[in-house]
Amino acid sequence: DAGITQSPRHKVTETGTPVTLRCHQTENHRYMYWYRQDPGHGLRLIHYSYGVKDTDKGEVSDGYSVSRSKTEDFLLTLESATSSQTSVYFCAIRGQGNEQFFGPGTRLTVL
Amino acid sequence: EDKVVQSPLSLVVHEGDTVTLNCSYEVTNFRSLLWYKQEKKAPTFLFMLTSSGIEKKSGRLSSILDKKELFSILNITATQTGDSAVYLCAVEGTGTASKLTFGTGTRLQVTL
Repeated sequence: DAGITQSPRHKVTETGTPVTLRCHQTENHRYMYWYRQDPGHGLRLIHYSYGVKDTDKGEVSDGYSVSRSKTEDFLLTLESATSSQTSVYFCAIRGQGNEQFFGPGTRLTVL
Repeated sequence: EDKVVQSPLSLVVHEGDTVTLNCSYEVTNFRSLLWYKQEKKAPTFLFMLTSSGIEKKSGRLSSILDKKELFSILNITATQTGDSAVYLCAVEGTGTASKLTFGTGTRLQVTL
């Protein structure tokens, strides 16, 4: 257990509404990541952070923004949710050996 | 573009069998290859391999990397029903961010 929590764990929302997912870690890790997981695509990196206020894009960043105002929290925002953003979202942290450890995930459904 | 291909996509074995899962990759600048196990929840870390030919072992699971041929295998001996899961392979590039590129996984089902 790398001390990672995600909230909410499940969310159903409507197309066009804003959604924010939260990742919280308790072990002061510098690097944090957001992935989405979809059938047939595996895990794909959305955004990552390498410190407070330091973020960068991943492979599938369109339609998503992130913020990190404190070391322990990394927020993922869908400014205007679309049905194509229905997915399972995982947060991860980088461990001391560069391996990544994942949070429990958030299942998001956009109707 | 970095690419990771896993095979087979899925397999069904009987308890006690030995299985071999395959992962091949193409990555611009390779640093490491990682294996994860995913049951109906978050992926859990199994191994990280950085050097060719050195086997990593944990109980009945073992893995080895071939950097010349660009592949890795994950072996599971004496399989148990608790080994049923999706096994994910990922490669890490050499950038400072440790970004991972994942394969789509191998779904293993172990039956009694």
